[in-house]
Amino acid sequence: GEDVEQSLFLSVREGDSSVINCTYTDSSSTYLYWYKQEPGAGLQLLTYIFSNMDMKQDQRLTVLLNKKDKHLSLRIADTQTGDSAIYFCAESMTTDSWGKLQFGAGTQVVVTP
Amino acid sequence: GAVVSQHPSRVICKSGTSVKIECRSLDFQATTMFWYRQFPKQSLMLMATSNEGSKATYEQGVEKDKFLINHASLTLSTLTVTSAHPEDSSFYICSAKPSGEGYGYTFGSGTRLTVV
Repeated sequence: GEDVEQSLFLSVREGDSSVINCTYTDSSSTYLYWYKQEPGAGLQLLTYIFSNMDMKQDQRLTVLLNKKDKHLSLRIADTQTGDSAIYFCAESMTTDSWGKLQFGAGTQVVVTP
Repeated sequence: GAVVSQHPSRVICKSGTSVKIECRSLDFQATTMFWYRQFPKQSLMLMATSNEGSKATYEQGVEKDKFLINHASLTLSTLTVTSAHPEDSSFYICSAKPSGEGYGYTFGSGTRLTVV
């Protein structure tokens, strides 16, 4: 099975908060990432968190990391229609530039008016 | 900063021909770049790690003779799909990461390859 798991779909109303969850299995992960992919486009790095952090906030985005449970979440406050996309979490096991990323399957977020 | 440019964004080719995809780091040097393949509604699958000045490292199950990778400079890696077949049709994405703290992996905009 995959090392990184995500729920596949999330529907949220415009203006509400979205929470996307991710679990990983490798306790040696050093960085955990959230990427956004819009249809036909590449991946846009939203934010990342170092494994010794519990939380990171960047404007409307809040990342929570529970190392004990190997659980990562991304909260999007005041969700807008432009937030509709697929969101991937990913982990890497090294800080070096040649480290590999392991991706989850992606969560399709649909924002309804 | 940390921009990765990928070209072309879309290409259609005939079966049996070869297609080259370029990946450039515009404002940083990348000794290592990564090539991914993404099937519709699926996650990214790492194909190979491209190393500047040396051979690429391919993931298990990826044919190195089919997917030729050249990383001749610190800012350019190319992926050539040789003797393309319809089953090679896919979305190919490259990525790189600037060295140092405070940077994540940056991805190109992807190349949609259609083999007819």
